[in-house]
Amino acid sequence: GAGVSQSPSNKVTEKGKDVELRCDPISGHTALYWYRQSLGQGLEFLIYFQGNSAPDKSGLPSDRFSAERTGGSVSTLTIQRTQQEDSAVYLCASSLFTWTGPTGANVLTFGAGSRLTVL
Amino acid sequence: ELKVEQNPLFLSMQEGKNYTIYCNYSTTSDRLYWYRQDPGKSLESLFVLLSNGAVKQEGRLMASLDTKARLSTLHITAAVHDLSATYFCAVIQGAQKLVFGQGTRLTINP
Repeated sequence: GAGVSQSPSNKVTEKGKDVELRCDPISGHTALYWYRQSLGQGLEFLIYFQGNSAPDKSGLPSDRFSAERTGGSVSTLTIQRTQQEDSAVYLCASSLFTWTGPTGANVLTFGAGSRLTVL
Repeated sequence: ELKVEQNPLFLSMQEGKNYTIYCNYSTTSDRLYWYRQDPGKSLESLFVLLSNGAVKQEGRLMASLDTKARLSTLHITAAVHDLSATYFCAVIQGAQKLVFGQGTRLTINP
């Protein structure tokens, strides 16, 4: 597609329920990122995928959070047993990663985000 | 661990004035990004700075990078209301992980 597509755009759930957030990156982009933005805060890195390499999961805040990327394209972020502190906007980004030394820019294109509210 | 700090975090200014947002980072990196976020919207890429001394300009915004000082600046010239937004800088950690600053919320008043 033309841009990074995320769904749902809004999700309200009850504490303890599981949620799945979906990201469809720009076609051909090899790198995919998930970030979390809490109200009025900056962006917190969660996880990134690059091609067939093992994902960098270093930002996942707990074992309730997991993500997968199927076929090198669509990604799903799953939050199990949601808590109120999970309420945030979850942003997905993709990039056409090129490691070409000083000229490699690797600009991330962000989706519109999925706003999660846990009651 | 890489830390990225912006200041100020909040900035209210009048149209027509000049101001600068600062972005400091704690470890060596050779790429720095500036993004803009409008309320309720996602992030839009503004600039990518790839080397020491790099300067990029777009309209009333100019960004520069000093890798030795680990400092980037975003300078606003003759501000207009349309530039009201939150501005984030971000620095590459390792090969690809992007670490963001806290953001600077800029409000430009008529």
